[in-house]
Amino acid sequence: GNSVTQMEGPVTLSEEAFLTINCTYTATGYPSLFWYVQYPGEGLQLLLKATKADDKGSNKGFEATYRKETTSFHLEKGSVQVSDSAVYFCALRGFNNAGNMLTFGGGTRLMVKP
Amino acid sequence: DTGVSQDPRHKITKRGQNVTFRCDPISEHNRLYWYRQTLGQGPEFLTYFQNEAQLEKSRLLSDRFSAERPKGSFSTLEIQRTEQGDSAMYLCASSLRTSTYNEQFFGPGTRLTVL
Repeated sequence: GNSVTQMEGPVTLSEEAFLTINCTYTATGYPSLFWYVQYPGEGLQLLLKATKADDKGSNKGFEATYRKETTSFHLEKGSVQVSDSAVYFCALRGFNNAGNMLTFGGGTRLMVKP
Repeated sequence: DTGVSQDPRHKITKRGQNVTFRCDPISEHNRLYWYRQTLGQGPEFLTYFQNEAQLEKSRLLSDRFSAERPKGSFSTLEIQRTEQGDSAMYLCASSLRTSTYNEQFFGPGTRLTVL
């Protein structure tokens, strides 16, 4: 079946540091890949997405590239801010998945200190 | 667009009691999903509806769980004879089937605590 593995947190960084959160997946075919973010006290929000190999999703300074050869979708940001403190979830939607349900990783908590 | 809403936001119950949660999706969305999230874990899929039809259920959805979407709008998730292991955040999401990426929009969740 489908699965997503992401690095365990928490990840603690100083403001303006470079961020990488690793995500790898197992799926048949060509899944779509997503990063969701959950700010304290709020619901999950879609951060970015990529639907085919070599696509780069980007939003709010965050980027992730769909790497089929390494089955990875690592999240990066060049300069984090305190407001980026949240839990980040990598997720996939399987190919030929008529229901489009998402399979999530376990989440990575990011804490950014001023 | 008021987003996905869920009610209640918090529920504390005693083991063995029944509980019901409600989800109101974004108004024009025809797909509705339920997920469960335990502490420190990612959400796990439970079930989904397209309009009023329940099209798929996860093995996680034991026979004590039932979900409905009677008119293709709001949905309810009922848990009968609750157990302590049911304690979790129950998330609802909705999407528009015809949208390009079928993006799922999540509600704030209902946190269930079973004592």
